[in-house]
Amino acid sequence: DTGVSQDPRHKITKRGQNVTFRCDPISEHNRLYWYRQTLGQGPEFLTYFQNEAQLEKSRLLSDRFSAERPKGSFSTLEIQRTEQGDSAMYLCASSLIGYNEQFFGPGTRLTVL
Amino acid sequence: AQSVSQHNHHVILSEAASLELGCNYSYGGTVNLFWYVQYPGQHLQLLLKYFSGDPLVKGIKGFEAEFIKSKFSFNLRKPSVQWSDTAEYFCAVNAHFNKFYFGSGTKLNVKP
Repeated sequence: DTGVSQDPRHKITKRGQNVTFRCDPISEHNRLYWYRQTLGQGPEFLTYFQNEAQLEKSRLLSDRFSAERPKGSFSTLEIQRTEQGDSAMYLCASSLIGYNEQFFGPGTRLTVL
Repeated sequence: AQSVSQHNHHVILSEAASLELGCNYSYGGTVNLFWYVQYPGQHLQLLLKYFSGDPLVKGIKGFEAEFIKSKFSFNLRKPSVQWSDTAEYFCAVNAHFNKFYFGSGTKLNVKP
């Protein structure tokens, strides 16, 4: 399967713990996006990378959130000191520069107890 | 701020009925428009897209959408739905800086 993959698919954590999610985009895609989706809502943009550069961050992305894409391939999203309000599906998508079509991964469902 | 509105949150249809899902966006400049579908247990998939040209675009599985610039709308249509079209449908707009704005989604339930 050459689609976008995300790991883990599910994560349950206690409030105050740190969590890290990984996204592997389609191999030749140079843009990578993170979204958050809560129940009854569409995906909300968090941040995006072009190669290894993080070009934009949403105001939704508090200081507790950090994302990296160190070699322009996979990306990680870390949430520090998780709160119950962080419970959501975290989606990753990738695309090619010049093509505005995003391909989504299956998401990581985070539950903060 | 840009926004995307999907007015129908939940639609129930019988097989062979016609479908129209509304999508309106607020942005005055050039936009790219998309409809994504999420089947139960699956990830988001692109259904169709509009970048420029003919405002009536055709996508996969018999879906089409019409871009009406004056109404800031991009409604999704299908003449005859099937049970397998049961899914959640999301409208999305890409305005600038590669940010995509999604609507809140419409859950379609097709009764066999």
